[in-house]
Amino acid sequence: DGGITQSPKYLFRKEGQNVTLSCEQNLNHDAMYWYRQDPGQGLRLIYYSQIVNDFQKGDIAEGYSVSREKKESFPLTVTSAQKNPTAFYLCATDRGFNNEQFFGPGTRLTVL
Amino acid sequence: AQSVTQPDIHITVSEGASLELRCNYSYGATPYLFWYVQSPGQGLQLLLKYFSGDTLVQGIKGFEAEFKRSQSSFNLRKPSVHWSDAAEYFCAVGSMNRDDKIIFGKGTRLHILP
Repeated sequence: DGGITQSPKYLFRKEGQNVTLSCEQNLNHDAMYWYRQDPGQGLRLIYYSQIVNDFQKGDIAEGYSVSREKKESFPLTVTSAQKNPTAFYLCATDRGFNNEQFFGPGTRLTVL
Repeated sequence: AQSVTQPDIHITVSEGASLELRCNYSYGATPYLFWYVQSPGQGLQLLLKYFSGDTLVQGIKGFEAEFKRSQSSFNLRKPSVHWSDAAEYFCAVGSMNRDDKIIFGKGTRLHILP
């Protein structure tokens, strides 16, 4: 069954801790994306990767880091430098030619 | 630069009534246009898309949208809404140019009255 998985569904973090959100896909898509969603602000692009071992900053990359060592995986690390990390995080993929994106179920991160 | 505007933050309709959600875009070339739906706490699901050809596109769950180039609009419609349609709806614009990233509107939350 093809798709995108994100884990965990809910994540709690203490201030000052780094935390890594997982995104795995078996769609064989080249491009992967991380978005942050806050109420009333739509989707804001954090990082994206169009090919393995390469990634680019999106609009709000500060305080986040990513890696793309495998085509299937694009983990996002929320570092302690991110001042307001509490949000809903969405991972997406696309085939690389028409911008049609496919989304995972999301991870809700709460900083305590 | 691309941009997408969804003028209505919230819309409330009665069950069984018709629905139209507005979307206006700005893009210099031929756009690729999308509508997504998001239920609370879930990811986004594609409702329909427009790349070229017939300007009236049909999607899943009984939704349709019409591309009007002269008005730079891609409004989403449904003739009769169901309570299960309550969700947030996002319009998005992209293109065949790989240097242009897809841009999402800020969303319209649809409320259904019984």
